[in-house]
Amino acid sequence: GENVEQHPSTLSVQEGDSAVIKCTYSDSASNYFPWYKQELGKRPQLIIDIRSNVGEKKDQRIAVTLNKTAKHFSLHITETQPEDSAVYFCARGYGNKLVFGAGTILRVKS
Amino acid sequence: DAGVIQSPRHEVTEMGQEVTLRCKPISGHDYLFWYRQTMMRGLELLIYFNNNVPIDDSGMPEDRFSAKMPNASFSTLKIQPSEPRDSAVYFCASSLGLAGVYNEQFFGPGTRLTVL
Repeated sequence: GENVEQHPSTLSVQEGDSAVIKCTYSDSASNYFPWYKQELGKRPQLIIDIRSNVGEKKDQRIAVTLNKTAKHFSLHITETQPEDSAVYFCARGYGNKLVFGAGTILRVKS
Repeated sequence: DAGVIQSPRHEVTEMGQEVTLRCKPISGHDYLFWYRQTMMRGLELLIYFNNNVPIDDSGMPEDRFSAKMPNASFSTLKIQPSEPRDSAVYFCASSLGLAGVYNEQFFGPGTRLTVL
């Protein structure tokens, strides 16, 4: 189906540690996998995305990996900072729309 | 560009009343999306438009919900009559080109709806 499963639902890390969020899907209909960050009371905003012809993409402290064979993709945040605390949503492109995961609440403790 | 604009930012109404949420997409964007966000259901796509034409309204929960896009710069989401379970944050988003194919969706600030 079109759904995407996201894990974990909450993640608490110490400042400076790494955080990893994983998403899985079941069919092969997607070629675009974006990640959105939503701070408390704010709108979701795109932080990084990856296309299916690429296995990994990095932007400073964040990176995304994609395994199309296994049908999963992950967000990696290194050297976490308090301002990384937010809800993170993975998504997959599905036809003309995006299908979002349920979200991961990331808390970075200082 | 000011980004996606939504109004009102907050709406408190009583059960049974009609509620109208408004959205102005980014100029030039040809796709417009309405989402509902709750703790229980996460971010749900309600309906989306392409060039002002509704393409997929399968996410609209009931006949009480309706959406229109009379022109490229304005869309409304209407709930009539409203019920307490409609309380949520409603986001409008727009994109230039197919959202599922490499094109970023830009979200508005959202409307927080409370139905008493």
